[in-house]
Amino acid sequence: AQSVSQHNHHVILSEAASLELGCNYSYGGTVNLFWYVQYPGQHLQLLLKYFSGDPLVKGIKGFEAEFIKSKFSFNLRKPSVQWSDTAEYFCAVNTGGYNKLIFGAGTRLAVHP
Amino acid sequence: DAGVTQSPTHLIKTRGQQVTLRCSPKSGHDTVSWYQQALGQGPQFIFQYYEEEERQRGNFPDRFSGHQFPNYSSELNVNALLLGDSALYLCASSLRLAGATDTQYFGPGTRLTVL
Repeated sequence: AQSVSQHNHHVILSEAASLELGCNYSYGGTVNLFWYVQYPGQHLQLLLKYFSGDPLVKGIKGFEAEFIKSKFSFNLRKPSVQWSDTAEYFCAVNTGGYNKLIFGAGTRLAVHP
Repeated sequence: DAGVTQSPTHLIKTRGQQVTLRCSPKSGHDTVSWYQQALGQGPQFIFQYYEEEERQRGNFPDRFSGHQFPNYSSELNVNALLLGDSALYLCASSLRLAGATDTQYFGPGTRLTVL
């Protein structure tokens, strides 16, 4: 069965620090990859997605992610975080022809001013 | 443009009862998926509806059932509630023709507490 692993459950950073959140998936075929974010008191929203082409994808609010097929990874990065990036981040994958998302357990990010 | 809406926001039920949760998809979307998010975990796929039929199902027992109406809105029903059913239930909508690369838009969720 497909699964998604997020390595860090909690991350604490100071403003302006760089961010990298790890995500690995287990599936040998074609995948579509997503990062969703949930800000406090808000619902899940899409940060970025990858389905083909350039493995480096850019999303909203300065986030980017790199798909490395050989490592089954899709890590999320941001060069300089802000206090407003405090949120929970979820990596997700779907496979095959169906739009059924498999989520990781999430990473809770706290950014201190 | 209305996003995904869900009702009610919160529900408290006792073990053995039945519950119905409701979802209206984003305007223009025809596919509704339901997810369960337990505390401290990522959302888990329950099932997906389009053209008023269940098309895919996750690893959930038959106590979980659903329905989709001609206007694409959907209901999630859970029978014989267990304490372990306490969770945030999320509805997401998408467009079937756009396929597996389409973004799923999530609603705010219904927080179900089973006592």
